[in-house]
Amino acid sequence: SQTIHQWPATLVQPVGSPLSLECTVEGTSNPNLYWYRQAAGRGLQLLFYSVGIGQISSEVPQNLSASRPQDRQFILSSKKLLLSDSGFYLCAWQTRTSSWETQYFGPGTRLLVL
Amino acid sequence: RKEVEQDPGPFNVPEGATVAFNCTYSNSASQSFFWYRQDCRKEPKLLMSVYSSGNEDGRFTAQLNRASQYISLLIRDSKLSDSATYLCVVSISNTGNQFYFGTGTSLTVIP
Repeated sequence: SQTIHQWPATLVQPVGSPLSLECTVEGTSNPNLYWYRQAAGRGLQLLFYSVGIGQISSEVPQNLSASRPQDRQFILSSKKLLLSDSGFYLCAWQTRTSSWETQYFGPGTRLLVL
Repeated sequence: RKEVEQDPGPFNVPEGATVAFNCTYSNSASQSFFWYRQDCRKEPKLLMSVYSSGNEDGRFTAQLNRASQYISLLIRDSKLSDSATYLCVVSISNTGNQFYFGTGTSLTVIP
């Protein structure tokens, strides 16, 4: 069966510090991968998605970036965090067979920027 | 205009009640429809897909009206464990496999 892992689970970082969040998927090949952010009391905002190694599409211009160095690994990064980067970061995967396939979420990383 | 709109609630209902959530979507090219459930401080989890003919899974019934661009979720015989936020989700065919999420409807089932 497929599983998705995210770490760390929680993170407290000062403004201006770098960020690296990691997501890995097991039990599937060639998945679509997604990064979302959910701010307190708000809906999910799509940040990045990837349909293959090295292929990243950005949905929202900001100080975040994403990379996909391996088929089942997706990394979210920032060189300098802002207060507004605080939120719940969720990674999701989806099989690439069709758009009818469900997205499955990892447990998330809760980030607080102080 | 938001792709997906939901009534945020909150809905506070007694155990055993029937409750209905509504959702509208703006893009007629929307192709796939889902309801997700999100517990407090947890990740969203798929509750059910929504098919054109409507579908039922135990106490949960989902309906789709393409003409009105409207999706609904009906929960019968509410349980305390149904308390959560319910997210309406659409996938639009001309945007790859991107999902668009509503902001969610909060449900609290009261003993």
